[in-house]
Formats: sequence, structure tokens, C-alpha cells
Amino acid sequence: SYELTQPPSVSVSPGQTASITCSGNKLGDKYAYWYQQKPGQSPVLVIYQSFKRPSGIPARFSGSNSGNTATLTISGTQAMDEADYYCQAWDSSTVVFGGGTKLTVL
Amino acid sequence: EVQLVETGGGLIQPGGSLRLSCAASGFTVSNYYISWVRQAPGKGLEWVSLVSNGGTTYYADSVKGRFTISRDNSKNTVFLQMTSLGVDDTAMYYCARDLTSTKGMDSWGQGTLVTVSS
Repeated sequence: SYELTQPPSVSVSPGQTASITCSGNKLGDKYAYWYQQKPGQSPVLVIYQSFKRPSGIPARFSGSNSGNTATLTISGTQAMDEADYYCQAWDSSTVVFGGGTKLTVL
Repeated sequence: EVQLVETGGGLIQPGGSLRLSCAASGFTVSNYYISWVRQAPGKGLEWVSLVSNGGTTYYADSVKGRFTISRDNSKNTVFLQMTSLGVDDTAMYYCARDLTSTKGMDSWGQGTLVTVSS
């Protein structure tokens, strides 16, 4: 079965750029999606089709996807961006999530 | 306003059955892919099942043969019938919508908690 691999944790200083990677076999041939989940809340879609932002998502969130790796980049990271982030892709008509990355802003 | 409301969770003994409901408002479920996604306590997201806009159903290997997803268009509601529940099924269960399987899950419910324990 298809697998997506994320680093368990990433740390960033306020105002700096955070990058969260998601690796999967030929992931660049698929669309990647990214979700933000804060404690006690439901996930929120922040990137779809690898690099598009839904309405209401700040422009500091961006995405890229090439080869075997998709990347979520948060520019000018704010304290409110501290959360768990999950990548997602489709494979053979099933949905696959990465294991999640805890972003700490300190 | 788009809204998804999950109900039906609770405490159930191992081997038991439970039916979850996902009631939608502000949009028509039959026009969307509706997924069930679960999250065990302190763990990550795990996709469980989905029903496409055309009515085709798909399941994760971990629940295949035990869970059944269905849709009642007249009630604008999607259901997840769960049988032969085990402790590993303990999780918060969310439903989420996806317009075409290429737009991402852009709306999620608040979740309903299923606890499997004796």
C-alpha cells in the first residue's frame, strides 16, 4: 500500500520560514494536500492540488510538489501556526495520510 | 453555511456494532465525495471510507468487511455502519467532504468519539 512519510516534528522561530516535507513514491505525479490541526479542533485544509490555497488561508502558506517530495512552506511563521500538519494524497481510489508533523513555534 | 454534524458515537464493548451519522447542511451530499476519517487518541489521521458522488464506495484495508458506508440522499446524510469493533477502532471519527477528489477535504465535522472497551 502507498505510504506518505513526514518528519514527526519541526521547530521554527517566529517570523522565520518553516518547511514540512512529505515523501512518497512518485508523489510528484499526484496532487498533494495539506491539513492543519490544532489541539481539540478538526483539521483544516490549507493547501490543495499541491500548491493552491483555499479561500481564507493566509498567503504565508504555500506548497510545492516534485519528484518524491511535497513541501508545505510557511513564511513569516506566527505563533498561531503552531499545530499538527498532515499531508494527504490519493492512490488507487483510496485516501492516504502522512503520519503528521508537529510544528513548534519558539 | 456548510456544516457537517457527526453523531452516534459512544462506549461499546469489543465485538459490538455502532452506526455513525454525518448530517450535512448547506450543500448536497450526493454532489460530493464524503469520507470518514478517524483519529485514535494522541495519534494521526487515518482515512476509513468514502462514498463518491456517483455512489461508489471505498474502504481502508483495516476496516474492509467490517464497516459499511452508505448515503441517504433524502436525509442528506452519510452513515458508517461499524461491526466487529475492536479496541483498535477507538477513535474520534470525522466526516469530511471533497468536491471531486481533487479539491481536498474542505469541510469537516466536529467529530464523534467511539470508545471500544469492556
